[in-house]
Amino acid sequence: LAKTTQPISMDSYEGQEVNITCSHNNIATNDYITWYQQFPSQGPRFIIQGYKTKVTNEVASLFIPADRKSSTLSLPRVSLSDTAVYYCLVERFGGYQKVTFGIGTKLQVIP
Amino acid sequence: GAVVSQHPSWVICKSGTSVKIECRSLDFQATTMFWYRQFPKQSLMLMATSNEGSKATYEQGVEKDKFLINHASLTLSTLTVTSAHPEDSSFYICSARPKGRGLRTDTQYFGPGTRLTVL
Repeated sequence: LAKTTQPISMDSYEGQEVNITCSHNNIATNDYITWYQQFPSQGPRFIIQGYKTKVTNEVASLFIPADRKSSTLSLPRVSLSDTAVYYCLVERFGGYQKVTFGIGTKLQVIP
Repeated sequence: GAVVSQHPSWVICKSGTSVKIECRSLDFQATTMFWYRQFPKQSLMLMATSNEGSKATYEQGVEKDKFLINHASLTLSTLTVTSAHPEDSSFYICSARPKGRGLRTDTQYFGPGTRLTVL
């Protein structure tokens, strides 16, 4: 599966919109992108998933350009409780492929 | 829906003893379960993939005789750390892929993790 690259860390003030971009240059036709959030000493939590264009749910938006070689997770109006590590994963339809977690992006929200 | 539990949430044991960690999908059946290990300030590292009724597939560098995985049913997988040593101290996380029934079958649902400390 395609390797992902993300910024190691980001800082943001409360109330701002945060965009975290992930590169996945070798993504295949039957791959999709999933973002997870992890707090210290907890398992990762599903945030959002998409294949192309834009996906929005109650907590985030995911933007995927036409070439699908990158994706951007957008968190609107972050709060202190959004301080966490965010992982971008490339997963394959069919559900039987293992995935590799990258280093993730440590988001620090500042009051 | 899509809740995965792990038991225990934390465990402290003496060097040389064995520890069993359970991973259960509470409200769905899982075709595949994964076991990860996470050291402080590092990312999750996949240890093994297990499918119900078949032997687990271990990642390179993971000793299958030390980390015994049993996927007894579509809702339960266990990881046994045999003859644990201090270097096995870590955060162990399982995940499960749903078999269907309206959940995202292409997404992993993660357990809360188990903190293992070997003295």
